[in-house]
Amino acid sequence: SQQGEEDPQALSIQEGENATMNCSYKTSINNLQWYRQNSGRGLVHLILIRSNEREKHSGRLRVTLDTSKKSSSLLITASRAADTASYFCATDASQAGTALIFGKGTTLSVSS
Amino acid sequence: DTAVSQTPKYLVTQMGNDKSIKCEQNLGHDTMYWYKQDSKKFLKIMFSYNNKELIINETVPNRFSPKSPDKAHLNLHINSLELGDSAVYFCASSGLGGYEKLFFGSGTQLSVL
Repeated sequence: SQQGEEDPQALSIQEGENATMNCSYKTSINNLQWYRQNSGRGLVHLILIRSNEREKHSGRLRVTLDTSKKSSSLLITASRAADTASYFCATDASQAGTALIFGKGTTLSVSS
Repeated sequence: DTAVSQTPKYLVTQMGNDKSIKCEQNLGHDTMYWYKQDSKKFLKIMFSYNNKELIINETVPNRFSPKSPDKAHLNLHINSLELGDSAVYFCASSGLGGYEKLFFGSGTQLSVL
């Protein structure tokens, strides 16, 4: 069964605004990752947060993890048109094996 | 050099045909994967190979068969193609058995007519 669920499914903002995407999952994890997919391209890894971490930063990205609520959020600050893409969370779902399981993604549109 | 490359990028074929998608990684990773992305962008794991050994085989029809001639390659063979097989197929690789980040290929858009 699917492990991650992103919310919202779609998000439209103006350049310069912040974008927040949420991910919920069902079972215990070792780590949670966020990926970006530009239209017609493969997924690109953004950030990995381990189950014993609560917050992680990378440039304009900020990821939080709440294992008690089984949820994570991805914040993109000062968004740019180039941030327009789909964003996926992925968990290792250790019970299912070693493959990452992806959510359905959030489609972010940033207009200038 | 592209880290994970897959060919072809587009594949258009008739129902009932047999086709293959090739994937190669030059990252020295031990684990490679095939994911299927449907029209709603949902990514589903199909297979993964670790050191030439299949370690995950999700509920995928046996018309799909992964073939790994060596650690750097994981090809996907599909027999008797059906309309429902139309999707984008992504190859990916990772080190440390999948607990680290994945590197994805650019995808193969398969259209079955």
